[in-house]
Amino acid sequence: AQSVAQPEDQVNVAEGNPLTVKCTYSVSGNPYLFWYVQYPNRGLQFLLKYITGDNLVKGSYGFEAEFNKSQTSFHLKKPSALVSDSALYFCAVRALYSSASKIIFGSGTRLSIRP
Amino acid sequence: ETGVTQSPTHLIKTRGQQVTLRCSSQSGHNTVSWYQQALGQGPQFIFQYYREEENGRGNFPPRFSGLQFPNYSSELNVNALELDDSALYLCASSLGAQLAKNIQYFGAGTRLSVL
Repeated sequence: AQSVAQPEDQVNVAEGNPLTVKCTYSVSGNPYLFWYVQYPNRGLQFLLKYITGDNLVKGSYGFEAEFNKSQTSFHLKKPSALVSDSALYFCAVRALYSSASKIIFGSGTRLSIRP
Repeated sequence: ETGVTQSPTHLIKTRGQQVTLRCSSQSGHNTVSWYQQALGQGPQFIFQYYREEENGRGNFPPRFSGLQFPNYSSELNVNALELDDSALYLCASSLGAQLAKNIQYFGAGTRLSVL
């Protein structure tokens, strides 16, 4: 079965400190991996994706993610957190389904940055 | 803003009723996907429409149906509403049906409450 797991429901970080939001996946074939962010009363916003190439992917708002094939992980990182980074973060993976590719989302991690 | 608009923003229905949710895609996008996001969970793929044809479906019963119009706007219809249908319904548009390669742009969602 194809799946994605976010083991932490909540991550708390002080402003200015580095942050990591964890994601592991299980998928047949080469994974396509994504990170999205959701602010209150807003839809999901795309942050970054990994399809192929460099294992370190850079995205929006200073975020980056590291693809690790041996550990089947795709952790989201940022060197210095901002209070405005506080939001709900979703990891997602491509799954093959019939004639269309669908995206499977994790359950989300709430990131809270304290001043 | 993503250019994807959904209406209505909120909706209250009673069990057994029918509901229609609407989505206007970002200009030029020919693919729309619908997701159900229950409270505290990640979005679950309902189905995808590409050029007015259903192009993939998740694990949702037939009472969840959809339409895509020539201008690529879309509707999600749910018949015989159940209490568990209460959720945030998200529409996402993209250019092309390969969701793994094409970034999805999400609307802010319609929050449906079934009483």
